[in-house]
Amino acid sequence: AQTVTQSQPEMSVQEAETVTLSCTYDTSENNYYLFWYKQPPSRQMILVIRQEAYKQQNATENRFSVNFQKAAKSFSLKISDSQLGDTAMYFCASIQGAQKLVFGQGTRLTINP
Amino acid sequence: DTAVSQTPKYLVTQMGNDKSIKCEQNLGHDTMYWYKQDSKKFLKIMFSYNNKELIINETVPNRFSPKSPDKAHLNLHINSLELGDSAVYFCASSQSGARETQYFGPGTRLLVL
Repeated sequence: AQTVTQSQPEMSVQEAETVTLSCTYDTSENNYYLFWYKQPPSRQMILVIRQEAYKQQNATENRFSVNFQKAAKSFSLKISDSQLGDTAMYFCASIQGAQKLVFGQGTRLTINP
Repeated sequence: DTAVSQTPKYLVTQMGNDKSIKCEQNLGHDTMYWYKQDSKKFLKIMFSYNNKELIINETVPNRFSPKSPDKAHLNLHINSLELGDSAVYFCASSQSGARETQYFGPGTRLLVL
């Protein structure tokens, strides 16, 4: 069975700093996909970034990048030049085969002015 | 234009009542989902439909019955509501295939008193 673990319940950094959110997962599949979703106080779930497991290159989207370590089953999210609008819950998720997203417990990130 | 919409956004009701939540997507996707987010923010899939056919049915009480009248709509009916049903319910949609990103609706906050 898939499991996703986020070991940091809460994090807090100053605006403009860089922050890294950790995620580990467990899967027996070779072909799977990994995602980071953001949930701001508005409650909307917003896709931040995705990574295909078969791609060695780490995905990047503007200030957001991942460090995907397949052998270690690790998928961390780095936010550079953090902004106040990055304050949100961040969820790591994986999907394989049956199309059901399996989520981690979430990390509450606060960006302080 | 809203991609995935849910109605209502908030629902407050008494124990024992029956209620429905509606979901519509205008993305042309063929797969739709219901996820439940509990009070600890943990997200878990409940159901998935592909082209109006049920493909994922997690261990959800049979008081919950999804219905998909067409590819663009997936409704969730809940009978005999219990206190433990209080949660945020998210609808999502995607094209079929594990590689496809799921897009979420704004969520429906259900409070059972």
